[in-house]
Amino acid sequence: DIQMTQSPSSLSASVGDRVTITCRASQSISTYLNWYQQKPGKAPKFLIYAASTLQSGVPSRFSGSGSGTEFTLTISSLQPEDFATYYCQQNYRTVRTFGQGTKVEIK
Amino acid sequence: EVQLVESGGGLVQPGRSLRLSCAASGFTFDDYAMHWVRQAPGKALEWVSGISWNSGNIDYADSVKGRFAISRDNAKNSLYLQMNSLRAEDTALYYCTREAGAPEGYYYYMDVWGKGTTVTVSS
Repeated sequence: DIQMTQSPSSLSASVGDRVTITCRASQSISTYLNWYQQKPGKAPKFLIYAASTLQSGVPSRFSGSGSGTEFTLTISSLQPEDFATYYCQQNYRTVRTFGQGTKVEIK
Repeated sequence: EVQLVESGGGLVQPGRSLRLSCAASGFTFDDYAMHWVRQAPGKALEWVSGISWNSGNIDYADSVKGRFAISRDNAKNSLYLQMNSLRAEDTALYYCTREAGAPEGYYYYMDVWGKGTTVTVSS
């Protein structure tokens, strides 16, 4: 199975900061990479597919990039509602896998 | 309204079985692959199993292979997860998810999630 590794596991940031989260795949997955946001006590929310395409309604401060084995999720100017845990997920193989998550906390 | 509602969770002893259900509404169920994703308390999301629209393709995580069985009934707009030989490490919130395909093809993502049903495995 393809292993997905995110870094960092957590980070502290302030409103207005630029935040970058990295996701690495154990083998090349082209751009078959999705990003999700999860707030405490809630189901995950789908944000980005194909590594860089924003789901309709997702604010433009979110962006994704990368291909092959290394990917990034960037929040250009962190807003109060962005404090959450973010997960990457590959859909290169039918056996899907998620990263271990990155918790974005308030500094 | 597009909706997924899970049910069937509960407290069960190790080694016993449980069957989860997911009722879908607001969309054409048999147009989509469906998945189960779980989350142990305070832990990350873990993909459990997926099934194609016509049940022709089924996959499992290694952690549940041979113990869990996914199925669907398109006539009833329902997804199921039969969980056998349950272990303490299966304790989690189990989410039912819809997997959509991108308009440009080839890319798939879990765009609709239920609220989850809790499974606790303990003696």
